[in-house]
Amino acid sequence: GAVVSQHPSRVICKSGTSVKIECRSLDFQATTMFWYRQFPKQSLMLMATSNEGSKATYEQGVEKDKFLINHASLTLSTLTVTSAHPEDSSFYICSAREPTATYEQYFGPGTRLTVT
Amino acid sequence: AQSVTQLGSHVSVSEGALVLLRCNYSSSVPPYLFWYVQYPNQGLQLLLKYTSAATLVKGINGFEAEFKKSETSFHLTKPSAHMSDAAEYFCVFYNFNKFYFGSGTKLNVKP
Repeated sequence: GAVVSQHPSRVICKSGTSVKIECRSLDFQATTMFWYRQFPKQSLMLMATSNEGSKATYEQGVEKDKFLINHASLTLSTLTVTSAHPEDSSFYICSAREPTATYEQYFGPGTRLTVT
Repeated sequence: AQSVTQLGSHVSVSEGALVLLRCNYSSSVPPYLFWYVQYPNQGLQLLLKYTSAATLVKGINGFEAEFKKSETSFHLTKPSAHMSDAAEYFCVFYNFNKFYFGSGTKLNVKP
């Protein structure tokens, strides 16, 4: 099946710094990628939808200047958390969708971000 | 508004017993529904999906779900629970290019 990777799997950063998370589709081209955030013991909340070559579409309440999303190629999307604060600590998960599989998404393993 | 509601944040069953995880949806258009499983410290895995074909959908690991329009439900079942089924299960709704997750149900399997 389709494989999506995320890097890093865990990251600890200091408050005020920025951190970049990569999401890659390893064996297929993903025209659309999604970024989710999962708080402890809670469900996944969609943050944004990114389409290759165009600006990401952010969900209501998500600060686009804080969570920068770039989908520069058909196999790579990045999420940069700028000026991170402890409240940004969370589990970030990406998913990717093949062009021919409208109703399926393949999830990455997630990135645990801890801001100290 | 489109949404999914999972009833019961925690479900506990004995090994070998029936597993029933409940999901109800709200939609003004024909829904596309999915069940995903998340094992501890692992990514999400698709169990099964309903995309307007057969109403009884069979998935991996012996799970199945039945789409019931009259009840606006898409409950997940497995006849006999195994210890390895312990995980968190999410009912997911797809509409207008977005996937919406239910709140999740954590399944505990007792020996």
